[in-house]
Amino acid sequence: NAGVTQTPKFQVLKTGQSMTLQCAQDMNHEYMSWYRQDPGMGLRLIHYSVGAGITDQGEVPNGYNVSRSTTEDFPLRLLSAAPSQTSVYFCASSPSPSETYQETQYFGPGTRLLVL
Amino acid sequence: SQKIEQNSEALNIQEGKTATLTCNYTNYSPAYLQWYRQDPGRGPVFLLLIRENEKEKRKERLKVTFDTTLKQSLFHITASQPADSATYLCALINQAGTALIFGKGTTLSVSS
Repeated sequence: NAGVTQTPKFQVLKTGQSMTLQCAQDMNHEYMSWYRQDPGMGLRLIHYSVGAGITDQGEVPNGYNVSRSTTEDFPLRLLSAAPSQTSVYFCASSPSPSETYQETQYFGPGTRLLVL
Repeated sequence: SQKIEQNSEALNIQEGKTATLTCNYTNYSPAYLQWYRQDPGRGPVFLLLIRENEKEKRKERLKVTFDTTLKQSLFHITASQPADSATYLCALINQAGTALIFGKGTTLSVSS
């Protein structure tokens, strides 16, 4: 198994540009989530999904959209990038929404985003 | 709202000593708490989970305690090695049961 994969590894955007951060997992996990990690702020939850077709907002959802059309994929969209979205983005998955928080979260390697 | 705090941003110890990291939380009582390790440039990796009815859990050189009265978890690494140098994160479920809240992490440096 590849686990949780994220692409790209690094991206530079100009203010106002849009892009999609890709996340995929091959473990048949129901629960997937997106975090951003900033110096001094720790990991903060952006959006999460408990299964295909179901998404919800986390702590810092503004400026981001998500969708979950398949169990495997959970893309994160930035509609109009802002410098405040410069961060490292991590995707994570875990086996079952009913057991989610008693299960380990598997994290991807991260995407480093710089918005100029 | 729930708050989780890891008291030290950085901890420096000598090889062979025991490292003790602290995680405190406020405003509610989570059913369990998790600890993760994060190396530079990588995603966090799960280490241990301890439930509210467990006082202590061990895994090789790692030990976690959970004191629901003090609202505190301690994470110990015994016989520490330079390879243990990393950032350690604690995390707990929010009160709504919808998300994990992470502490900001403690960066451990073990010198030989």
